[in-house]
Amino acid sequence: GQNIDQPTEMTATEGAIVQINCTYQTSGFNGLFWYQQHAGEAPTFLSYNVLDGLEEKGRFSSFLSRSKGYSYLLLKELQMKDSASYLCAVDGGSYIPTFGRGTSLIVHP
Amino acid sequence: ETGVTQTPRHLVMGMTNKKSLKCEQHLGHNAMYWYKQSAKKPLELMFVYSLEERVENNSVPSRFSPECPNSSHLFLHLHTLQPEDSALYLCASSQVRAGADTQYFGPGTRLTVL
Repeated sequence: GQNIDQPTEMTATEGAIVQINCTYQTSGFNGLFWYQQHAGEAPTFLSYNVLDGLEEKGRFSSFLSRSKGYSYLLLKELQMKDSASYLCAVDGGSYIPTFGRGTSLIVHP
Repeated sequence: ETGVTQTPRHLVMGMTNKKSLKCEQHLGHNAMYWYKQSAKKPLELMFVYSLEERVENNSVPSRFSPECPNSSHLFLHLHTLQPEDSALYLCASSQVRAGADTQYFGPGTRLTVL
């Protein structure tokens, strides 16, 4: 089976930095995705990691350690519009990703 | 129109009704997916059509029936649903290749079963 774990909810202040962690146990590994989902909207793709290390894309960065079964999404210079749910999804070898429950991020002034 | 579209956006139905959800992708992808998203639960994969083969989650009840007439269109036929089937139903598409595929989601259909 596959297990993906991420915190249920986080809060942060506008302008700050927040790190959302994701741990996983899967039988195989083809890559890890992060998606953003605003309330009432569809998930949208943020990042994809398949090799260890940090991938930076503007204010958002994603890190992967395959040996530790661990990833994080780093959001810098937080804005109010970053309030959303952040979904970690892992392709455990089937080419179809399994999603975690999502982390609801609340950004306050 | 671009991306992945879904109709209707909202649907209210009784337990004895029959309805269908429609999804269309304009991205030239070769795989399409149905997901169920309930409050406080992970996205639950229901069905996948990839390279004209169907893969399904064996835990999905038979009252949900998918249809994929071509690589751009996907339907989810609903009949004799239960109130616990109320959820957001998301369609997604991707381009299958060697390695993991990024999925592009439609806006979803918010289903309420009375």
